[in-house]
Amino acid sequence: QVQLVQSGAEVKKPGASVKVSCKASGSTFTDLALHWVRQAPGQRLEWMGWINAANGYTKYSQTFQDRVTITRDTSASTAYMELTSLTTEDTAVYYCARGLRYIILDYWGQGTLVTVSS
Amino acid sequence: DIQMTQSPSTLSASVGDRVTITCRASQSISTWLAWYQQKPGKAPKLMISKASSLESEVPSRFSGSGSGTEFTLTISSLQPDDFATYYCQQYSSYWTFGQGTKVEIK
Repeated sequence: QVQLVQSGAEVKKPGASVKVSCKASGSTFTDLALHWVRQAPGQRLEWMGWINAANGYTKYSQTFQDRVTITRDTSASTAYMELTSLTTEDTAVYYCARGLRYIILDYWGQGTLVTVSS
Repeated sequence: DIQMTQSPSTLSASVGDRVTITCRASQSISTWLAWYQQKPGKAPKLMISKASSLESEVPSRFSGSGSGTEFTLTISSLQPDDFATYYCQQYSSYWTFGQGTKVEIK
């Protein structure tokens, strides 16, 4: 069974960047497609992008295209999501999730709360 | 972008009730639809994929149906553990979610 463990909560100032990690276990890391989804308080879930852990291919939502970078470290079985130029609107819980057959988000990390406040 | 719209936004029901949630897509998505259950402070849990395929260990009181642009999630007999928020999600073209339906105790 796949397990995804994310890094801890972050507090950032407007204009800063944040980098959230997602460590995978229970599966060969390079077999994974890892997606990032966020949820602002009281809002719907919002897909941000995904990475193919085997070759590093990425695809981003147009909403975040200019501000998000998803990377991976195969030696650490970990994916990363970096979001730049933060505003208060980026305050949200950020989740990583496995993409079964790339497309079905079946296993999720526990979430990482990112708070943006001056 | 494909927009997903759920109804109702909130549903008040009692244990034992039959509950139906509707999800509409702004364009045809065939059966590329999933349903998630989310409880406060927790990650979403995949319940149904491909519109009607129940995930393992999901109780059989849950069922999904539909294709094209209209889909439903039905809980045949609501149990105390089912009070949660439910989201539909399309994966036909990228990934987008509905706004959620909160199932609360009547």
